[in-house]
Amino acid sequence: DQQVKQNSPSLSVQEGRISILNCDYTNSMFDYFLWYKKYPAEGPTFLISISSIKDKNEDGRFTVFLNKSAKHLSLHIVPSQPGDSAVYFCAASAVTGGGNKLTFGTGTQLKVEL
Amino acid sequence: NAGVMQNPRHLVRRRGQEARLRCSPMKGHSHVYWYRQLPEEGLKFMVYLQKENIIDESGMPKERFSAEFPKEGPSILRIQQVVRGDSAAYFCASSPQGFYGDTQYFGPGTRLTVL
Repeated sequence: DQQVKQNSPSLSVQEGRISILNCDYTNSMFDYFLWYKKYPAEGPTFLISISSIKDKNEDGRFTVFLNKSAKHLSLHIVPSQPGDSAVYFCAASAVTGGGNKLTFGTGTQLKVEL
Repeated sequence: NAGVMQNPRHLVRRRGQEARLRCSPMKGHSHVYWYRQLPEEGLKFMVYLQKENIIDESGMPKERFSAEFPKEGPSILRIQQVVRGDSAAYFCASSPQGFYGDTQYFGPGTRLTVL
């Protein structure tokens, strides 16, 4: 059962334009969401996060939007740069008695073209 | 400040052998998470440890897999009697506190290939 879904395996955008990556979740207990970027042969790198008490969080070129009623979040990158080309993973966690394990989506491969 | 370190980066084992994967968390971090990424899939949680304690092993296969994080030294993920299905990338992450909302920082991973 895939609790975090990234339905677009790939996305191609032109340099300077906006990239929008989408993520849906099914578990209503999730209340903290993160985006990670991953280059080949490297580990995921944390990008940005959002708590369920917010509907938007912004950090430089990256903005994450959360729509709790739709169980949907998105990552906007503007302007997109060639160095943004990577796999982007959406992850979610729930408050538990111990730890902060993350549930990941399957990733979206972003390609930013010149 | 060194990041999360994992070794080896690549490991090849024959079926039936043992695999030992090591993870040194970031300095000052005492919480370690192990994740596994099978080909064409996302990362899947395996186990969460603090020093000398396993806190959550709900994602660990019941047999052949074990993990430890001793008082001194790195965290070790051990896979006994490896099978081809164990071939995957294994990532370790560390965090300073382990609380809800605490950011996890990932190592570069160990790519295990079982022949």
